[in-house]
Amino acid sequence: AQRVTQPEKLLSVFKGAPVELKCNYSYSGSPELFWYVQYSRQRLQLLLRHISRESIKGFTADLNKGETSFHLKKPFAQEEDSAMYYCALSGQGQGNLIFGKGTKLSVKP
Amino acid sequence: GAGVSQSPSNKVTEKGKDVELRCDPISGHTALYWYRQSLGQGLEFLIYFQGNSAPDKSGLPSDRFSAERTGGSVSTLTIQRTQQEDSAVYLCASSYTSSGTPQYFGPGTRLLVL
Repeated sequence: AQRVTQPEKLLSVFKGAPVELKCNYSYSGSPELFWYVQYSRQRLQLLLRHISRESIKGFTADLNKGETSFHLKKPFAQEEDSAMYYCALSGQGQGNLIFGKGTKLSVKP
Repeated sequence: GAGVSQSPSNKVTEKGKDVELRCDPISGHTALYWYRQSLGQGLEFLIYFQGNSAPDKSGLPSDRFSAERTGGSVSTLTIQRTQQEDSAVYLCASSYTSSGTPQYFGPGTRLLVL
């Protein structure tokens, strides 16, 4: 079955601490993986995708096919990073994303 | 220019009534997506339009749900004979690539079925 699991509903860290938002997936084939973010009272937006191998707002994510994971990491969390983060996957070139339930990140001062 | 817009922003309806939700994508975007977000189910894919290709309707939960996209731009999601379990936030997104990735989401329409 195709599935995205984000094991943490809530993750709370202090400003300046490293943060890792976990994402595991189940998919038969070669998926594309994404992270989306939704800040308070703002729209859902694409943060990054694994094929781009990019760093956005200091966040990176590496696809580990062996562990079927796509964890989102940032070495030094900022208060403005507080938001809901959703991991998602799709088949290549397909628009039907499968989303995880999301992790609420709270960065405390 | 403006981002993806959706109307209405909120809709309250009675069980059994039909509703229409509208999405205006970013101009020039060829791909348009509908998702819904509810407390119990999280974010669920509904339907995906890509250019002139036949839409991917694989996420529509029942035949009460339908969507169309006129002139490759505006899209309308119609829910017939609404049920209480249809209550959710309905999100529209668009993108200009053919990669299948929704990039820009609208603010959503919050639907409440009484």
